[in-house]
Amino acid sequence: SQQGEEDPQALSIQEGENATMNCSYKTSINNLQWYRQNSGRGLVHLILIRSNEREKHSGRLRVTLDTSKKSSSLLITASRAADTASYFCATSGFGNEKLTFGTGTRLTIIP
Amino acid sequence: GAGVSQTPSNKVTEKGKYVELRCDPISGHTALYWYRQSLGQGPEFLIYFQGTGAADDSGLPNDRFFAVRPEGSVSTLKIQRTERGDSAVYLCASSPQGIGTEAFFGQGTRLTVV
Repeated sequence: SQQGEEDPQALSIQEGENATMNCSYKTSINNLQWYRQNSGRGLVHLILIRSNEREKHSGRLRVTLDTSKKSSSLLITASRAADTASYFCATSGFGNEKLTFGTGTRLTIIP
Repeated sequence: GAGVSQTPSNKVTEKGKYVELRCDPISGHTALYWYRQSLGQGPEFLIYFQGTGAADDSGLPNDRFFAVRPEGSVSTLKIQRTERGDSAVYLCASSPQGIGTEAFFGQGTRLTVV
């Protein structure tokens, strides 16, 4: 079963613009992670935010977490063609090791 | 190699056959995970190993699916009496300790049951 739902399901923007993706989840979490997937194969870890954190930055990525709303957002600034991929949020609970993934956002950057 | 290795990368099998999918995690990683991903969906959890033991196998869909990790390193996912609905990409991931930190994924095995 999927824990999270990403919104939007698909997003197309011009190169250089910012891309924002949202993730909502259902149960209490220990941390939330964002992953990128190219061509439907291996996933690459982007960033992890813990339940007691509200915002985190890594290069062109900015992640926010609102545990009261059970939601997170991923912002990619100054997008590049190479950012074209599917993006997934994944959560893990307290005392529960497994990562539960959302349904993903398909991001297309138009050169 | 430096990353998680999965073999084969593609597997086509006939309905009813038995298949084994192999995962070589990053050396020294004690945690290993198997996921299954259908087209257009997010990865779905199957099983998690900590060392040699299956710490959580709650995601295995039925008793046709089984996984082992006998020496705490390489893992094999075994599917008996395959069905067309088993067709998916099977992803393996490892992490140094557990899922409190990032997981490193392999490129997956695309299983097609015909």
